[in-house]
Amino acid sequence: DTAVSQTPKYLVTQMGNDKSIKCEQNLGHDTMYWYKQDSKKFLKIMFSYNNKELIINETVPNRFSPKSPDKAHLNLHINSLELGDSAVYFCASSQASGQKGYGYTFGSGTRLTVV
Amino acid sequence: AQSVTQLDSHVSVSEGTPVLLRCNYSSSYSPSLFWYVQHPNKGLQLLLKYTSAATLVKGINGFEAEFKKSETSFHLTKPSAHMSDAAEYFCVVSGAGTYKYIFGTGTRLKVLA
Repeated sequence: DTAVSQTPKYLVTQMGNDKSIKCEQNLGHDTMYWYKQDSKKFLKIMFSYNNKELIINETVPNRFSPKSPDKAHLNLHINSLELGDSAVYFCASSQASGQKGYGYTFGSGTRLTVV
Repeated sequence: AQSVTQLDSHVSVSEGTPVLLRCNYSSSYSPSLFWYVQHPNKGLQLLLKYTSAATLVKGINGFEAEFKKSETSFHLTKPSAHMSDAAEYFCVVSGAGTYKYIFGTGTRLKVLA
């Protein structure tokens, strides 16, 4: 049973389209994240939710909107896709609860290609 | 503020020889430090973590890392490289009371037969 699952695994779409990526974790963690990995493998945090509350919102275009219906789910919706959005998007979860030192559990990633 | 620097973008070793991947960190707080591995076209897997307990941390697959506060380093080592170790390795820092983990730029490990 996959701990952090993302769908879809691959997404190819045209510029200007709107798309969503879904993430679910069954670990009982209270914090979830979206990271973007560019072509040089650099990982940068985009958003984080703790118990459905947005706690990290990095400098990300308004076209990106996260939604967390409950603490086990964190979805990412992207409007008006651009070529520069092409990347691998990773979802992760952790049990943060104010205590440091908990590592993340990552999903397997969604490779988004905008053409 | 926290930051992490991986000193080598690429490391090549021969199979059976030791591995050393270098990481230096900067943190205003007592940091938590992690190493993650990413195999090609895969997600990231936690190798090991330091959270202010023992300074020598043992992880999976024979890897270990030593926290050296005086040198602000957290280098990853393995006594004998295996072909399956070829991957991208990320050093990560997190400060106390923060949910945000900062990733290094990664070190690609190549293992030669």
